[in-house]
Amino acid sequence: NAGVTQTPKFQVLKTGQSMTLQCAQDMNHNSMYWYRQDPGMGLRLIYYSASEGTTDKGEVPNGYNVSRLNKREFSLRLESAAPSQTSVYFCASSEISPLHFGNGTRLTVT
Amino acid sequence: QKEVEQNSGPLSVPEGAIASLNCTYSDRGSQSFFWYRQYSGKSPELIMFIYSNGDKEDGRFTAQLNKASQYVSLLIRDSQPSDSATYLCAAYLNDYKLSFGAGTTVTVRA
Repeated sequence: NAGVTQTPKFQVLKTGQSMTLQCAQDMNHNSMYWYRQDPGMGLRLIYYSASEGTTDKGEVPNGYNVSRLNKREFSLRLESAAPSQTSVYFCASSEISPLHFGNGTRLTVT
Repeated sequence: QKEVEQNSGPLSVPEGAIASLNCTYSDRGSQSFFWYRQYSGKSPELIMFIYSNGDKEDGRFTAQLNKASQYVSLLIRDSQPSDSATYLCAAYLNDYKLSFGAGTTVTVRA
């Protein structure tokens, strides 16, 4: 049972490039989330999806877009990467509570 | 004001001692509270959740909730070197948005 799977694990982008972070869960959870984690800042919510077909902005949505492709998959897209988006990104899922996290994607934007 | 605030630490305790971690939250309507442990380079893992006022014990961990004071704490008894990690407090601000504190790093000295 894989739980929450994120790809890729590591990525280096140049400023202005685009990319999509992928997330899939096999726990049949309705809710999925994208967080970013920066030193001293804890986890900050970027976007969440309460159920298939719905998405909502979190605390720090600027510069990101999301797609809830189906119940299993929730992707995060950076259209034009900026150095300020250098961070560790975590996807999570839940059914009521609590959150189950993926292993994270470490993204560096140069 | 951040929605969830933790004492920033770092916290250093000798092996066998009690580590005490504190957290306050701003939304009086919050009902569900969580403590996650995060080892360096890893994803957060749930260690405790608490919904009702009072204490909840699970092994060496005790969570305490005081809704009147908007205060949540975590006690780690008989601290072990394996408890060295960052501890994240989290609270649901509505049905779907889980907000995290910045974390407290605990080091247990052998």
